[in-house]
Amino acid sequence: DGGITQSPKYLFRKEGQNVTLSCEQNLNHDAMYWYRQDPGQGLRLIYYSQIVNDFQKGDIAEGYSVSREKKESFPLTVTSAQKNPTAFYLCASTIRRTSLNEQFFGPGTRLTVL
Amino acid sequence: AQTVTQSQPEMSVQEAETVTLSCTYDTSESNYYLFWYKQPPSRQMILVIRQEAYKQQNATENRFSVNFQKAAKSFSLKISDSQLGDTAMYFCAFIKSNTGNQFYFGTGTSLTVIP
Repeated sequence: DGGITQSPKYLFRKEGQNVTLSCEQNLNHDAMYWYRQDPGQGLRLIYYSQIVNDFQKGDIAEGYSVSREKKESFPLTVTSAQKNPTAFYLCASTIRRTSLNEQFFGPGTRLTVL
Repeated sequence: AQTVTQSQPEMSVQEAETVTLSCTYDTSESNYYLFWYKQPPSRQMILVIRQEAYKQQNATENRFSVNFQKAAKSFSLKISDSQLGDTAMYFCAFIKSNTGNQFYFGTGTSLTVIP
């Protein structure tokens, strides 16, 4: 089955610790995205990548970092510099060639800072 | 900057009735694409319907249809014969035609279908 997987589903972190959220896709999609979802604020773009070894900051990149070493993988690191990291994180991907293509989403990771 | 506004944070509808969710957007682009996504309690985002701005005809997918008013920058979603499984958050999204696929999402409308 083709799709996007995110792991873990729930993640707990102590303040001051970095944590990495995994996102893998086997859809052969070019572009991948990370969104943060908070109640009442919809989806906000953190980072996106259109090709391997390249990525761009979204609207709320501060305190986050990403890498794109492989086409199918786009991990997100939440660093200790992120002031309020507790949120639901969604990874998405799309074929880059045309904007009409929808974004496919993973099931999400709920991060809680203790 | 592109913005997407959903002015109805919460709505409810009786089962089998029809409901319309509103979405407005702001852009200076002439060619773009619009989407409605559904996020049920499982939190899995699912595409409901999409519309190309250069197409006059409103998109339809079974019980879901849109009313696209380009001049008014309005993109509402109509759900006919509402079912309990339609209970979800609904997000309107916008993408320019010549970008690196950056989507802009509204803040969502929480729809509850009442039995």
